[in-house]
Amino acid sequence: GAVVSQHPSRVICKSGTSVKIECRSLDFQATTMFWYRQFPKQSLMLMATSNEGSKATYEQGVEKDKFLINHASLTLSTLTVTSAHPEDSSFYICSARDLEKSGGRSTDTQYFGPGTRLTVL
Amino acid sequence: GQQLNQSPQSMFIQEGEDVSMNCTSSSIFNTWLWYKQDPGEGPVLLIALYKAGELTSNGRLTAQFGITRKDSFLNISASIPSDVGIYFCAGPRNQGGKLIFGQGTELSVKP
Repeated sequence: GAVVSQHPSRVICKSGTSVKIECRSLDFQATTMFWYRQFPKQSLMLMATSNEGSKATYEQGVEKDKFLINHASLTLSTLTVTSAHPEDSSFYICSARDLEKSGGRSTDTQYFGPGTRLTVL
Repeated sequence: GQQLNQSPQSMFIQEGEDVSMNCTSSSIFNTWLWYKQDPGEGPVLLIALYKAGELTSNGRLTAQFGITRKDSFLNISASIPSDVGIYFCAGPRNQGGKLIFGQGTELSVKP
C-alpha cells in the first residue's frame, strides 16, 4: 500500500507555544489530505479537510484559527496548533486520499500516517 | 445521516481461533475499507472493497462487500497474537472523500 509519513511522531511543548505537524504522501500525489484527532479508546474524529492550493474546510466545532492547515504541495500538508493548551493534548493523525482510475474502474482509498502524540504542559 | 454500526465492540479469543466482525449501515456505500490500528499508531489499510458482492482476501484476512451495499464483514482465520488491535470499518461519506468510521472492534488474542 501507499505510504504516508508524519513528523514529529511525538512532541511535548509548553502551554502558549505553537506546534507544527507535517504530513507527507511518499509515493503518490494527494490533492486532498485529512486531519483527525483521536482520544484514548475512541474512534477517529475528523477535524478538517486539506485541499492542495485552496483553503482547508473545517468540521463543525473545530476552530480554524486554532488549527491552521496549509497544503502547499501535492505531497505535503501541515497542521499548526497555535497557542497550545493542555486540553489540546491528543493523538493527531493525517490521511492522504488516493484516487485512481484504471481499466474503467475508479478507486477512492485513504492511507493514514503513523500519528503524532502531542502533550502540552 | 450516514452511520456505520460495527460489531462486536470487543472480542477475547484464543490463539488459533477464527474471528468475524461486521459493519452495517442504513445508507448505501460505494466503498468499504477495513483498517487495523495498533496502540500509538495510525490505522493501516487491510482491505479495500469497491464492488457490491466483492470478496477479497489478504493473507489470513477475508472481507466481503454486501450485495445490498449496506454491510461488510471481515474474517480473520487462525488468529495469532499480533492480530491484537482495534479494527475499524470505514466508508466515504460523499464524493468529497470524507470517511465515516465504525466504532471499532477491539481484538484480544490469548496465546
